[in-house]
Amino acid sequence: EIVLTQSPGTLSLSPGETATLSCRASQSVSSNYLVWYQQKPGQAPRLLIYGASNRATGIPDRFRGSGSGTDFSLTISRLEPEDFAVYYCQQYGNPGITFGGGTKVEIK
Amino acid sequence: QVQLQESGPGLVKPSQTLSLSCTVSGGSVTSSGYYWTWIRQHPGKGLEWIGYIYDSGRTYYKSSLNSRATISVDTSKNQFSLRLRAVSAADTAFYYCARTKGPLYGLDLWGRGILVTVSS
Repeated sequence: EIVLTQSPGTLSLSPGETATLSCRASQSVSSNYLVWYQQKPGQAPRLLIYGASNRATGIPDRFRGSGSGTDFSLTISRLEPEDFAVYYCQQYGNPGITFGGGTKVEIK
Repeated sequence: QVQLQESGPGLVKPSQTLSLSCTVSGGSVTSSGYYWTWIRQHPGKGLEWIGYIYDSGRTYYKSSLNSRATISVDTSKNQFSLRLRAVSAADTAFYYCARTKGPLYGLDLWGRGILVTVSS
């Protein structure tokens, strides 16, 4: 099973700053199969990025996914107050789906 | 607009079977190409995939559940369901149903989630 390790665990930033979140896989992941979600307290996760770099419907362009192989990242530019949340990466493997442990982006 | 809604008991006794349903509204559970998925989240923790059903009945489960999980579709009710046998306190979690078009896409639609507590 592919293990996804997200870092840092918590990122403390101010609105307007840029957040860079890392997702490292224990073995190579097809870029097509790497996904990012945002989750706010009391809510279900929301799809942000699929195929490593494709924004889901309605996701603003300040969210950018990149990476390949075992190293992927999510960059959030010009942080807005609504962007403070927990972010998870996810991969489709054989077998099944695995998630990273999450990165919390909190207001500094 | 398609929506998903989980339903089922919020409290299950240890060793019993957890049974949850996910109702698909505004669309059909028989829509081709979709993987109907269950995911759970222990309180304050990360996300854990349980399994999915696709292609009108093919299923795939997280191996560490030791064959305790069964996902099925009820087309008459436009629902898909999760049964998790022999539960323990470790199965206490928020359970989400979700939808994806497969590995090239993400889980683009989620239910709001339901908290299931395993306790006597």
